[in-house]
Amino acid sequence: AQSVTQLDSHVSVSEGTPVLLRCNYSSSYSPSLFWYVQHPNKGLQLLLKYTSAATLVKGINGFEAEFKKSETSFHLTKPSAHMSDAAEYFCVVTLAYGGATNKLIFGTGTLLAVQP
Amino acid sequence: NAGVTQTPKFRVLKTGQSMTLLCAQDMNHEYMYWYRQDPGMGLRLIHYSVGEGTTAKGEVPDGYNVSRLKKQNFLLGLESAAPSQTSVYFCASSYEGRAYGYTFGSGTRLTVV
Repeated sequence: AQSVTQLDSHVSVSEGTPVLLRCNYSSSYSPSLFWYVQHPNKGLQLLLKYTSAATLVKGINGFEAEFKKSETSFHLTKPSAHMSDAAEYFCVVTLAYGGATNKLIFGTGTLLAVQP
Repeated sequence: NAGVTQTPKFRVLKTGQSMTLLCAQDMNHEYMYWYRQDPGMGLRLIHYSVGEGTTAKGEVPDGYNVSRLKKQNFLLGLESAAPSQTSVYFCASSYEGRAYGYTFGSGTRLTVV
């Protein structure tokens, strides 16, 4: 079975400081991992994805995440926060090779606030 | 190229009323999904489809029905709406058998009073 845990429901940073959003996963098989962002009253946008290639994944808007199998983690980072980064972020896991039961399992979300 | 389009964007229903949410995608994706989003719970899968004419239950299917009569459309029905179905509903689609990412619609905000 697969599951994903986002360790912080709320994170607050100052503009210009680093962002760290933590995600741990559990999967019996090779996982694919994603980070999605949702701005207020908007849909979900894919930030980045890990699909068993390079363990350090770069995404849009300066975000990146590192897949660490030994720690079962996929934390999202950004060197310098912008006001526009304020949103809710979801860590998502699914099986790497798809199939009829290939479904996304969502974490409960981390709400990122960016202070001026 | 519109991607995934959901209609309507907002709706208020009275308890016991019925309605259908429409999801349309123009990317020729085989897989389509309906999720509901509730505060503090992330997104939970209601039903999904792996191709035209197929449907399957997800994590929280009770009170909902779906149909996939055409490959590009995935309909979510509420036969008798309940206040517990107040939520934001998202449709998503993906390429067959690949976990390369999913395309989401912009959501339908449903309130049942």
